[in-house]
Amino acid sequence: DVKVTQSSRYLVKRTGEKVFLECVQDMDHENMFWYRQDPGLGLRLIYFSYDVKMKEKGDIPEGYSVSREKKERFSLILESASTNQTSMYLCASSLMAQQINQPQHFGDGTRLSIL
Amino acid sequence: GENVEQHPSTLSVQEGDSAVIKCTYSDSASNYFPWYKQELGKRPQLIIDIRSNVGEKKDQRIAVTLNKTAKHFSLHITETQPEDSAVYFCAAKRGSGNTGKLIFGQGTTLQVKP
Repeated sequence: DVKVTQSSRYLVKRTGEKVFLECVQDMDHENMFWYRQDPGLGLRLIYFSYDVKMKEKGDIPEGYSVSREKKERFSLILESASTNQTSMYLCASSLMAQQINQPQHFGDGTRLSIL
Repeated sequence: GENVEQHPSTLSVQEGDSAVIKCTYSDSASNYFPWYKQELGKRPQLIIDIRSNVGEKKDQRIAVTLNKTAKHFSLHITETQPEDSAVYFCAAKRGSGNTGKLIFGQGTTLQVKP
């Protein structure tokens, strides 16, 4: 069974702080994703990585950056946290699709509050 | 741009009734459509998916239908039970490449009343 682990379930930080959210998967998946989940808006893609050191911006990358130094780990960084970044953050991973599309597997999420 | 619209945003049914959630998508190249269920305080979990070479797929009490011409797909839950209460998300794969990127609908909160 695929395991996607996010380092914190709940996190409280202050405005202006640099915040790190960590995600680790144990299934050797090539693809990893960071989403934010807000009521009524569904899951919105922040950043995506398809290989070590490779990354692509998603739909809402402003104010965020990512790091993928190892295949199993994908970090989301809030460079200078702001109150409008208070949200639920979800990490996901999937195999690189060859001929058959592969589902994404999610972590439990990190509920981040910026005060 | 790419978009997935999901309706309704909330749905309340009596136990034993059927529930239907509908989604429309804009990217003609999309060829993969998963559905996720998220129970309160838990992670989204894949419940069923459909690929563009089929029109319908069933798994016990849940089924998904796909109309590629009209660019819409639907989730059908029959004989609903209280444990079906959750938020359901539809999604469509972006483009025809192999990155696996999805675009999600806004979510439907399903409440099944005992």
